[in-house]
Amino acid sequence: DADVTQTPRNRITKTGKRIMLECSQTKGHDRMYWYRQDPGLGLRLIYYSFDVKDINKGEISDGYSVSRQAQAKFSLSLESAIPNQTALYFCATSDPGAGGRITDTQYFGPGTRLTVL
Amino acid sequence: SQKIEQNSEALNIQEGKTATLTCNYTNYSPAYLQWYRQDPGRGPVFLLLIRENEKEKRKERLKVTFDTTLKQSLFHITASQPADSATYLCALSTSGTYKYIFGTGTRLKVLA
Repeated sequence: DADVTQTPRNRITKTGKRIMLECSQTKGHDRMYWYRQDPGLGLRLIYYSFDVKDINKGEISDGYSVSRQAQAKFSLSLESAIPNQTALYFCATSDPGAGGRITDTQYFGPGTRLTVL
Repeated sequence: SQKIEQNSEALNIQEGKTATLTCNYTNYSPAYLQWYRQDPGRGPVFLLLIRENEKEKRKERLKVTFDTTLKQSLFHITASQPADSATYLCALSTSGTYKYIFGTGTRLKVLA
């Protein structure tokens, strides 16, 4: 079974609709992230969470919100989807590293391809 | 502003040759640099990490160098195989931020 799972894998929606993307992990990591990937722009950080009570905005958080329901679950919501939110969305977890040396190697889910018409 | 540059053009090489990919950065002092592999329609997969005080790291056919003076990392795949064809991403983090900034990636195609 995959360590980081995302649902749905593909979603087509209309402008103005509310959408939730879900992420679950079995790696036992405290740190979780949401990225979006666009051609030519690479991966950009939307939100990240270092534990259940900690939520932080990333580089491009406008138009998005998140919820950390448990250590293993981190959801991304688009309250009112717009066409420029069409992208590939990835959830990731990270391993802080051993011996106090923070490395935060990222473990990515398979992605959700979202199309907003 | 902080910037990470990877060659946006695809790199085509013959099987058996060494592939060399470049990651350059500006206005940034990374403590850690990572390389990831991404196949079409899939999430990136971690390959190697190198720290600012390390010059070189190796793992099987992979080698990463990190030159903080040139602000550049090179990623080498020796004895390349068609199965190495993918997009390779570099990512940088400064100490204490625990976040990585990713480059746009370079697509590598190994020709049989």
